[in-house]
Amino acid sequence: GDSVTQMEGPVTLSEEAFLTINCTYTATGYPSLFWYVQYPGEGLQLLLKATKADDKGSNKGFEATYRKETTSFHLEKGSVQVSDSAVYFCALSSRSHMNRDDKIIFGKGTRLHILP
Amino acid sequence: EPEVTQTPSHQVTQMGQEVILRCVPISNHLYFYWYRQILGQKVEFLVSFYNNEISEKSEIFDDQFSVERPDGSNFTLKIRSTKLEDSAMYFCASSEDRVAQPQHFGDGTRLSIL
Repeated sequence: GDSVTQMEGPVTLSEEAFLTINCTYTATGYPSLFWYVQYPGEGLQLLLKATKADDKGSNKGFEATYRKETTSFHLEKGSVQVSDSAVYFCALSSRSHMNRDDKIIFGKGTRLHILP
Repeated sequence: EPEVTQTPSHQVTQMGQEVILRCVPISNHLYFYWYRQILGQKVEFLVSFYNNEISEKSEIFDDQFSVERPDGSNFTLKIRSTKLEDSAMYFCASSEDRVAQPQHFGDGTRLSIL
């Protein structure tokens, strides 16, 4: 079945460092790809999305490009801040065989700590 | 910005008791979902709901689980006889469109089974 694999955490960086969180996926068809973020004590928030190959999703300085050839959707940010400390989930939408709904399949999450 | 709201934020229940988790999806959304996240593990799909019926459910969603949209605004998840392993964070989500629009998640209900 469809699946998402993302790098294990925790990831600890200093403020203003460059961030990469790797994500690869396995899917039939053409899924949409997402990054969700979960701040401490809060729910899941959509950070960015890409719906087709070569699309780049971006938000709050974060970017990810849908790479069909490498089945990847790596999350990057050029200069992280302490407020970026959270758990980041890579995810894809997986259409069921009934072609009726798009459930989200999540990776295990990567905890990010940014030190001041 | 419209939000998905869930109540309660934390529910503590004795094993074997019934529990109902409540969600108010975004008002113009048509597709509704429940997910759960056991502590330290990944977020897992439970069930999707559209046009007043279940569209898809996972193997986790057994006969102890049910969903309902009792009125035009609420979307509930019922666990009939809770087990210790039902302890988790439960997230409700909704979307306007199953293809082009992403799912918006609530803040979750933490369910603790004693």
